[in-house]
Amino acid sequence: NAGVTQTPKFQVLKTGQSMTLQCAQDMNHEYMSWYRQDPGMGLRLIHYSVGAGITDQGEVPNGYNVSRSTTEDFPLRLLSAAPSQTSVYFCASSLDGNEKLFFGSGTQLSVL
Amino acid sequence: SQQGEEDPQALSIQEGENATMNCSYKTSINNLQWYRQNSGRGLVHLILIRSNEREKHSGRLRVTLDTSKKSSSLLITASRAADTASYFCATGSGAYNTDKLIFGTGTRLQVFP
Repeated sequence: NAGVTQTPKFQVLKTGQSMTLQCAQDMNHEYMSWYRQDPGMGLRLIHYSVGAGITDQGEVPNGYNVSRSTTEDFPLRLLSAAPSQTSVYFCASSLDGNEKLFFGSGTQLSVL
Repeated sequence: SQQGEEDPQALSIQEGENATMNCSYKTSINNLQWYRQNSGRGLVHLILIRSNEREKHSGRLRVTLDTSKKSSSLLITASRAADTASYFCATGSGAYNTDKLIFGTGTRLQVFP
């Protein structure tokens, strides 16, 4: 099992560009989520999903969009990148929302 | 705003010593979890304690939970250099244990050989 796979590992964007961060898991987990990590701020929840077709907002959803068309994939879309979105992004999943989270290795995003 | 606040923000100890980290939170919870993050890597789950539990052990880890004080502590006994990492508490208050799991700001632990 690969676990939780995030791509790309690094990305540089210009202000106003859009892009999609990919997240896939091969553990048949129902629950998936996206966090961003900034220095001194810990991790903040962006969006989460408790199953295919179901998504909900976390603490900091503005500027981000998600969808969950399959159990395996949970992409995060930046609609119009801003310098404030410079951060490290982590995707995580768990079996059914009652178990521990498994994290991907992260995507380091810089917006210039 | 962050739900959990860890204390201290940074901790330096010698190998063999015990390390204690504290977490305070603001609202009612279903469970509290501790995670470890090595530099530049994803987080790894350490232990989960439910709101009706007061203490839990896993190897060299001991976690306590005081819901009346809205606080938890993580004790690492006989620390090793390999324990050097950042440690985060996370609280779950949704319908499930991990939906809307909110993380604190973390404690950076440095263990010197």
